[in-house]
Amino acid sequence: GEDVEQSLFLSVREGDSSVINCTYTDSSSTYLYWYKQEPGAGLQLLTYIFSNMDMKQDQRLTVLLNKKDKHLSLRIADTQTGDSAIYFCAEVKADKLIFGTGTRLQVFP
Amino acid sequence: GAVVSQHPSRVICKSGTSVKIECRSLDFQATTMFWYRQFPKQSLMLMATSNEGSKATYEQGVEKDKFLINHASLTLSTLTVTSAHPEDSSFYICSARGSRGGEAQHFGDGTRLSIL
Repeated sequence: GEDVEQSLFLSVREGDSSVINCTYTDSSSTYLYWYKQEPGAGLQLLTYIFSNMDMKQDQRLTVLLNKKDKHLSLRIADTQTGDSAIYFCAEVKADKLIFGTGTRLQVFP
Repeated sequence: GAVVSQHPSRVICKSGTSVKIECRSLDFQATTMFWYRQFPKQSLMLMATSNEGSKATYEQGVEKDKFLINHASLTLSTLTVTSAHPEDSSFYICSARGSRGGEAQHFGDGTRLSIL
């Protein structure tokens, strides 16, 4: 497809792992990003992965990249209530960020 | 990490007013700044890209006379919504990127514009 796609909603119990998936469109994207948006706020860069990597881990965050399938995922370990937010993946196309539709993560006790 | 400051955070004004939103990169030189618009429960829509010292490049469907963008320095870009009307009410977000290849964009906290 032509859009960067994400599932709209994910609900997890506090302490469990969250996995947010993204399908992007441009196989030549050099960098792929994950951003977090809390209510009424801008976007916070969480992490990014270079296209020649398969995996990148940064504390509780793990990014997996499958270039063949153009699939990106973000795993949040030990999910906390403060992780509740909307998560956007983004690819770079023609020097512009193209955002996914966003996944709303809700963490319940 | 890199900090982008956006002001004001919230504006409420009457129809016909022009509103200016500022976007500043506080600890790096922003060669390129971007302006986005976000509708409720939707993703970000790129409005325009501005490079310091040159005219902004607008995305298709965005009126450049309606949304005036100035990027006069490496740390400041402004978006002016001219003669705003209720349909211009939205959440506007700026982002800034430095000059090194592959640098990520860093976002401001957004401006909620409400036109009565």
